[in-house]
Amino acid sequence: QQQVKQSPQSLIVQKGGISIINCAYENTAFDYFPWYQQFPGKGPALLIAIRPDVSEKKEGRFTISFNKSAKQFSLHIMDSQPGDSATYFCAAYQNEKLTFGTGTRLTIIP
Amino acid sequence: DGGITQSPKYLFRKEGQNVTLSCEQNLNHDAMYWYRQDPGQGLRLIYYSQIVNDFQKGDIAEGYSVSREKKESFPLTVTSAQKNPTAFYLCASSITSTAYEQYFGPGTRLTVT
Repeated sequence: QQQVKQSPQSLIVQKGGISIINCAYENTAFDYFPWYQQFPGKGPALLIAIRPDVSEKKEGRFTISFNKSAKQFSLHIMDSQPGDSATYFCAAYQNEKLTFGTGTRLTIIP
Repeated sequence: DGGITQSPKYLFRKEGQNVTLSCEQNLNHDAMYWYRQDPGQGLRLIYYSQIVNDFQKGDIAEGYSVSREKKESFPLTVTSAQKNPTAFYLCASSITSTAYEQYFGPGTRLTVT
């Protein structure tokens, strides 16, 4: 049973463009929504996170948009760079556990 | 140099053998976690430990076992009962079990033939 659905599975964006990754959840008891970034052969690292009582959070080129009524949240990467090429996972936190989405492989092309 | 270490990076085993994956942290974190990563399936929780000498089953605990005898160590044993053991295994820790930020190790890729 997949509690956090992530799309797209893969994404190719031109350098300087905006990368958008979407996630949807069912469980309204989730109380924190982090995004993790993973480079090949490495473990994931926390990128940015948002609480459900906030509609948007921005850190540098990375923004999370959160729509509580639609139970959806998304990651926007502005001015995407080749160094952003990685796999991105959305997650949702409840009761000491993180539930991860299936991941999006992002490739930034010159 | 603080962080989480997992060893070895690559591990090969024959079917039917138990194998233990190492995870050590020097972050002084109370909670530790084991995840399995398969292509297209994200990270799935195997076991987690909130504190020394205590651990809980995650979503896919069957065929795995853990111990938490020391705060800094949380080894995972993949037993012969695990039907599809070949995967990338990730260990993580957090300050406490109620902290949403988890710090991940570099992972161990296990191949069973």
